[in-house]
Amino acid sequence: NAGVTQTPKFQVLKTGQSMTLQCAQDMNHEYMSWYRQDPGMGLRLIHYSVGAGITDQGEVPNGYNVSRSTTEDFPLRLLSAAPSQTSVYFCASRWGTGRHYGYTFGSGTRLTVV
Amino acid sequence: KQEVTQIPAALSVPEGENLVLNCSFTDSAIYNLQWFRQDPGKGLTSLLLIQSSQREQTSGRLNASLDKSSGRSTLYIAASQPGDSATYLCAVRSNQAGTALIFGKGTTLSVSS
Repeated sequence: NAGVTQTPKFQVLKTGQSMTLQCAQDMNHEYMSWYRQDPGMGLRLIHYSVGAGITDQGEVPNGYNVSRSTTEDFPLRLLSAAPSQTSVYFCASRWGTGRHYGYTFGSGTRLTVV
Repeated sequence: KQEVTQIPAALSVPEGENLVLNCSFTDSAIYNLQWFRQDPGKGLTSLLLIQSSQREQTSGRLNASLDKSSGRSTLYIAASQPGDSATYLCAVRSNQAGTALIFGKGTTLSVSS
């Protein structure tokens, strides 16, 4: 049981480039989400998914795309990277049933856009 | 809109002290509240999860309390150690459909030996 795995751990992009941040979990969690963490801003929700084939926007979705073709994987795509997307990105999955939930986070991807 | 505030933003204490970190939230309609620890350059580690129906949770030297009606939670750390140095994040999940975790900005704790 590896938990939530994110790759890569570090990435440098040039403005305008595209890339995909990978997130995988082996806990059979239906709910997965992406956050970005910026100094002074805390963690903010980008996109989330409640199951395969279902995604929705969070607080800061612009410039990002997601898809959920399987329960295990929830990749985050940067379509045309901008310096404002320099951040640390965290993927999380949610466990629990009924009203009793908890979250497990990956170790993060540190992205720099130059 | 749910807002989560953590006070203080930073805290420095000598080893062995007992300390309290504070978290407040504006909307009391929550499912639960979760405390995380984040080491520099690392991910988030879940410390304690308190359901809305609970008053407190304990794990080792950590004790988290929840007063939903007043919108407050505290994380009590007993007999602090240098290894406790990290940023502590509080997050709430509102009980509205489609909402996710809302985080505070954290309290950065430094414990000196």
